[in-house]
Amino acid sequence: LAKTTQPISMDSYEGQEVNITCSHNNIATNDYITWYQQFPSQGPRFIIQGYKTKVTNEVASLFIPADRKSSTLSLPRVSLSDTAVYYCLVRGVSSASKIIFGSGTRLSIRP
Amino acid sequence: GAVVSQHPSRVICKSGTSVKIECRSLDFQATTMFWYRQFPKQSLMLMATSNEGSKATYEQGVEKDKFLINHASLTLSTLTVTSAHPEDSSFYICSPKDRGLTDTQYFGPGTRLTVL
Repeated sequence: LAKTTQPISMDSYEGQEVNITCSHNNIATNDYITWYQQFPSQGPRFIIQGYKTKVTNEVASLFIPADRKSSTLSLPRVSLSDTAVYYCLVRGVSSASKIIFGSGTRLSIRP
Repeated sequence: GAVVSQHPSRVICKSGTSVKIECRSLDFQATTMFWYRQFPKQSLMLMATSNEGSKATYEQGVEKDKFLINHASLTLSTLTVTSAHPEDSSFYICSPKDRGLTDTQYFGPGTRLTVL
């Protein structure tokens, strides 16, 4: 399982764009990159998933360079409710694959 | 999105008692169930993986006789913490994998266990 490295914490302000970068140097050819969000005392919530280049949905964008050794989660115009822990995960898509969580990034948004 | 429920959402028990946590996938069938626990300010730690009708596979350091997992149906799995002690106090989260979509793993809302 590819190991991921991301900043332990980040601070930002309401209305700003926040970019959280994750390193996954040992990513395998069949691995996808997935980001989850977790609020206190709740289960993780899926945000976005991608394999290469750029993926965008209604809540975030995911940028993946050609070598796929890193990825950046971009949250546009954050609000106080985006304060949470964000996990970057790398895993295969076989039925036997399982999600192993890294340390995550604790994002704090201030007024 | 898929709905996963856990019951109870929180439980307080005395040391030495057993506690059962239920996890249900309400609108899909889960052939595989993962159980995680999370201590305060820490990440989720995978405890065990179970497939419907089979014995669970436990991660290193997790006592199989203490954390009993039953995955008798495609929509229900249970985790029983036997003879609970204060150090078992944690946030337990189930994570069923959708039978129909090999790539989709959902997460329950979690159960807060406090052992006095």
